[in-house]
Amino acid sequence: SQQGEEDPQALSIQEGENATMNCSYKTSINNLQWYRQNSGRGLVHLILIRSNEREKHSGRLRVTLDTSKKSSSLLITASRAADTASYFCAITGNQFYFGTGTSLTVIP
Amino acid sequence: EAGVAQSPRYKIIEKRQSVAFWCNPISGHATLYWYQQILGQGPKLLIQFQNNGVVDDSQLPKDRFSAERLKGVDSTLKIQPAKLEDSAVYLCASSYEGYTEAFFGQGTRLTVV
Repeated sequence: SQQGEEDPQALSIQEGENATMNCSYKTSINNLQWYRQNSGRGLVHLILIRSNEREKHSGRLRVTLDTSKKSSSLLITASRAADTASYFCAITGNQFYFGTGTSLTVIP
Repeated sequence: EAGVAQSPRYKIIEKRQSVAFWCNPISGHATLYWYQQILGQGPKLLIQFQNNGVVDDSQLPKDRFSAERLKGVDSTLKIQPAKLEDSAVYLCASSYEGYTEAFFGQGTRLTVV
């Protein structure tokens, strides 16, 4: 069973706009990670946020974590067509489970 | 550094046949994962190894799926007999230690007809 749920399931934006996707989970966590998957490819790690952190930045990525609400968000600023992909959160506690994913389309 | 290697990339078999997938993790990575990803869904953890011991196989259909990690390095995942619903991409990943950044292979796309 999936331990994480993401919303929206699909998101379509214009190039240059910001994209926000959310992840909710049910269990206690060690850390929470975000991955990107281009069509037909393996997953690529984007960023890891520990349970005692509230916000983390990496380039155009900003991740927040609210352990009281059991939720996280991923913000991609100034999106590019190359950001078109599926994005998954991974919840790491006793296990290493992925969420349901958000399919992002960035229109040039 | 070499990435996670998986083979084959594609496999087509008939239902009730058997199939095996192979994974070579990044050198020095103690943790190895096998995931099943059905089209349009997130990866589902099948089994997690720490060195050559099993950490989690709660979602592995043990009546037909088996996995081993010999000498704590390479791993094989076997399905016997295959069902139509086993059609999916099988992803192998490794990490230096559990729950840190995982590195994924390209996956094996299995089609059961």
